[in-house]
Amino acid sequence: NAGVTQTPKFQVLKTGQSMTLQCAQDMNHEYMSWYRQDPGMGLRLIHYSVGAGITDQGEVPNGYNVSRSTTEDFPLRLLSAAPSQTSVYFCASSAPGQNNYGYTFGSGTRLTVV
Amino acid sequence: AQKVTQAQTEISVVEKEDVTLDCVYETRDTTYYLFWYKQPPSGELVFLIRRNSFDEQNEISGRYSWNFQKSTSSFNFTITASQVVDSAVYFCALSEAYNYGQNFVFGPGTRLSVLP
Repeated sequence: NAGVTQTPKFQVLKTGQSMTLQCAQDMNHEYMSWYRQDPGMGLRLIHYSVGAGITDQGEVPNGYNVSRSTTEDFPLRLLSAAPSQTSVYFCASSAPGQNNYGYTFGSGTRLTVV
Repeated sequence: AQKVTQAQTEISVVEKEDVTLDCVYETRDTTYYLFWYKQPPSGELVFLIRRNSFDEQNEISGRYSWNFQKSTSSFNFTITASQVVDSAVYFCALSEAYNYGQNFVFGPGTRLSVLP
């Protein structure tokens, strides 16, 4: 099992550019989430999904879009990158009732917007 | 609303010292889950423990132990005889049962440095 796979691991964008952070899991987990990690603020929820075709906003959704067309994939789109979106992004998945470990996290994507 | 507070931003100890990382949480739910995660310098997030709100027994795993006290809404983490490899950022997290798996609320983290 690969677990949760995030690509790319590193990315530098110019202000105003758009891009998609990819996230895929092979554990058939229902729930998937995107978090951003900033110094001194822990991890903050951007968007989450409880199943294919269902998404919802988290604490800091502005500037990001998501979709969940399959159980396996949950891409995060930055529509027009801003320096405030410089952060480390983590994708996570879980399967309530089956997973005693809370989230399974990807290895993260370090994004810099210049 | 859920909230997790880790008042200690950074802690430095000398190897073999014991160290306790504090975690205080807020929730209106009666059923919830608490977690500790470790983030070593390599950046990945490593699961350490999950505890549900009905189980207040303390837990020990090797040099790690956890003290859960509902009366004070605390879930503290102690490392006994610390080692340099324990150097990391440690996050406490909370998930309420009604939306379990959908939204974990994380504390800001405590950076632990264990000096040789």
